[in-house]
Amino acid sequence: QQQVKQSPQSLIVQKGGISIINCAYENTAFDYFPWYQQFPGKGPALLIAIRPDVSEKKEGRFTISFNKSAKQFSLHIMDSQPGDSATYFCAASMEGRGSNYKLTFGKGTLLTVNP
Amino acid sequence: DAGVIQSPRHEVTEMGQEVTLRCKPISGHDYLFWYRQTMMRGLELLIYFNNNVPIDDSGMPEDRFSAKMPNASFSTLKIQPSEPRDSAVYFCASSPQGIGHQPQHFGDGTRLSIL
Repeated sequence: QQQVKQSPQSLIVQKGGISIINCAYENTAFDYFPWYQQFPGKGPALLIAIRPDVSEKKEGRFTISFNKSAKQFSLHIMDSQPGDSATYFCAASMEGRGSNYKLTFGKGTLLTVNP
Repeated sequence: DAGVIQSPRHEVTEMGQEVTLRCKPISGHDYLFWYRQTMMRGLELLIYFNNNVPIDDSGMPEDRFSAKMPNASFSTLKIQPSEPRDSAVYFCASSPQGIGHQPQHFGDGTRLSIL
């Protein structure tokens, strides 16, 4: 059972364009939604994260939009650059006995930014 | 400070052999996670430890897999006997204890091929 659904599977964007990746979750107990970035041959690295008490969080060119009622959140990359080409994973987590910090990942989106 | 260190980076072995993957977490981190990454299933959490104690091993696929954390600076993931379907990239991650969710820091993974 996939608890976090991510789309699209792959995305091609021109340099300077906006990249948008979407995720939907099922478990309303999730209370932490990070995005991880992974380059080839490397492990994932935390990019940005949001909690459900805010609808948007921005860090530089990266923005998370969060819709609690729809149980959806998305990553927007403004002014996309070739160096942003990587695989992006959304994830969700909840606090609680036995599941502290346990992340459930989406299946990933391979982003390619053409020069 | 050094990041999470995994060894070996690559492992090729024949079906039926024992495989041992190693991980050194970031010093001072209280949580350690083992993940498996495949194209079909994405990133899956296998097991995680808190203060060297296994907390949740529900992701371990079967009895052929075992994980230990004898001390705060070392963990192993063992597969015995190995099968071709175990071929994947295995990641170790660690995170600190803190108030609320803390980021997970991933190693660069071990690429395992079972022939």
